[in-house]
Amino acid sequence: DTAVSQTPKYLVTQMGNDKSIKCEQNLGHDTMYWYKQDSKKFLKIMFSYNNKELIINETVPNRFSPKSPDKAHLNLHINSLELGDSAVYFCASSPGVETQYFGPGTRLLVL
Amino acid sequence: AQSVTQPDIHITVSEGASLELRCNYSYGATPYLFWYVQSPGQGLQLLLKYFSGDTLVQGIKGFEAEFKRSQSSFNLRKPSVHWSDAAEYFCAVGARSGTASKLTFGTGTRLQVTL
Repeated sequence: DTAVSQTPKYLVTQMGNDKSIKCEQNLGHDTMYWYKQDSKKFLKIMFSYNNKELIINETVPNRFSPKSPDKAHLNLHINSLELGDSAVYFCASSPGVETQYFGPGTRLLVL
Repeated sequence: AQSVTQPDIHITVSEGASLELRCNYSYGATPYLFWYVQSPGQGLQLLLKYFSGDTLVQGIKGFEAEFKRSQSSFNLRKPSVHWSDAAEYFCAVGARSGTASKLTFGTGTRLQVTL
């Protein structure tokens, strides 16, 4: 049983396209997150939702829009993709402010 | 704002040797501290965490870490390294933000294990 799952695992697309990454957790957690890991392996938080409500919104371009249809899902939609968006995107979940459990990552390559 | 420093970018140890990975943090209150491991092409796996209480915490795979408030450190140790421990190790500090926790990660330490 996968606790935090992400689809797709790999995503290759052209500049200017719009794409979505899906995340689902079956841990019953109320809080979900998106992190970006750049080419130097640096991890930075992007967003956090608690039970469908936006809690954390770092200085992320508004081309990135998270959507949480229910507390088990947090999807990331990216408009007008740019070369600099190439990265690994990790979804995570936590039972409130405690330990975060990460998904396997989605490797996005923008050409 | 919180920050995490991992001074060692890359460490090489022989299989069976002991290991210590350094982590220093900056945070105004009592921190939540974590060590995660990332194997090549994989996600992040939690090794151990410190919230409060005993300053020596045990984790999975034989790892342990010691919280030293006076030194603002949370170093990760393992007495005998196995070849399968080769991976990237991330230290993180968590800060409460409403009903969520914002993790700030260090830049990671890449561990190479020689046979």
